[in-house]
Amino acid sequence: GQNIDQPTEMTATEGAIVQINCTYQTSGFNGLFWYQQHAGEAPTFLSYNVLDGLEEKGRFSSFLSRSKGYSYLLLKELQMKDSASYLCAVRDLGSGTYKYIFGTGTRLKVLA
Amino acid sequence: GAVVSQHPSRVICKSGTSVKIECRSLDFQATTMFWYRQFPKQSLMLMATSNEGSKATYEQGVEKDKFLINHASLTLSTLTVTSAHPEDSSFYICSARDRHRTNYGYTFGSGTRLTVV
Repeated sequence: GQNIDQPTEMTATEGAIVQINCTYQTSGFNGLFWYQQHAGEAPTFLSYNVLDGLEEKGRFSSFLSRSKGYSYLLLKELQMKDSASYLCAVRDLGSGTYKYIFGTGTRLKVLA
Repeated sequence: GAVVSQHPSRVICKSGTSVKIECRSLDFQATTMFWYRQFPKQSLMLMATSNEGSKATYEQGVEKDKFLINHASLTLSTLTVTSAHPEDSSFYICSARDRHRTNYGYTFGSGTRLTVV
């Protein structure tokens, strides 16, 4: 079956670094994506990993280990505006169509 | 970049009526459209996948006769919630696959907040 797990909530301080973990089990893995979603809004794309290793984009980095079914999103120099939900999504090839399977999402609260 | 326009953003309807939600890809051809539902403080749950010109594929537990999906063109997909009930109140959101931008994730619409009273 398909299963994607993330912590439900995390709290961190402005200026700090936070790591959000994601573990997954899927049958047709074809990439892992991280999205940011503010309440009541659509998700926005943050990063994409299809090969093992670290991808860095400014304050955000994402890591993937396919053998372990594990990814993390690293946020540096946290800002208040980073308070949001962070969704881990696996692109899965099922029935001939690529589709996203989303994790439960991690609500991050950044404190002053 | 790729943009998906979703309308309406909010709708309130009476129990038993039907509501249609539209998603249009503005500057690319959406060969595949995905429809999600999101309840408060929960993640996105995939409801169905539609490919242009063919019948939608529904996820387990989603009633295809209640949630009608039409993907008649490469730029337009619609979701109709038929005979809506209060338990259908949710945030509905579409996302589209641009076959030329698969490394950037699929593009999401802005979502529709449906309230059934």
